[in-house]
Amino acid sequence: DTAVSQTPKYLVTQMGNDKSIKCEQNLGHDTMYWYKQDSKKFLKIMFSYNNKELIINETVPNRFSPKSPDKAHLNLHINSLELGDSAVYFCASSQDWGSEQFFGPGTRLTVL
Amino acid sequence: GESVGLHLPTLSVQEGDNSIINCAYSNSASDYFIWYKQESGKGPQFIIDIRSNMDKRQGQRVTVLLNKTVKHLSLQIAATQPGDSAVYFCAETPVTAGNKLTFGGGTRVLVKP
Repeated sequence: DTAVSQTPKYLVTQMGNDKSIKCEQNLGHDTMYWYKQDSKKFLKIMFSYNNKELIINETVPNRFSPKSPDKAHLNLHINSLELGDSAVYFCASSQDWGSEQFFGPGTRLTVL
Repeated sequence: GESVGLHLPTLSVQEGDNSIINCAYSNSASDYFIWYKQESGKGPQFIIDIRSNMDKRQGQRVTVLLNKTVKHLSLQIAATQPGDSAVYFCAETPVTAGNKLTFGGGTRVLVKP
């Protein structure tokens, strides 16, 4: 009955690899987000999709590509992973653009 | 255990006392503000919000105060409990930017029994 779920919870990988993080929400929300939280706990938005359309695309390397196959899913694909990509990535969703955001449990990515 | 976030500002409070967490924001166009609570190993959780047409809003055991003149936001927690131990973030956005939230740096609250 988890509202916003992410897989995997932990991801350890080598530099240069390509990896994906999946996010699903069962709240019937129209808007989904990806955030990055660094080692200092600083939380910054990366992307937002509303009804499968990209509406926020912050200054993020183009190695990061979000994909929304439907309103309930927003996956994050990362190419050519770098050490600096190590962080906790949070998915979130909201009813619509402007409503309370519900966060997932996070995916801790470690790049070696 | 967690090895990150050790250099966050930390507020140590005795169980049962009141806690006050402060946040300064920089965008004078921001008119919607939210406080989030993040427990260890979990995602941020909405606590309370306030719009710029108000200067105070109360929830259950929590009160948010907004001073637009000095761009300052505070969260007061009454009768702090061990379950209140977490990192607290303020977030802001201009309503015109919809839900593009800008988060503050976070404050760790440690509740001593």
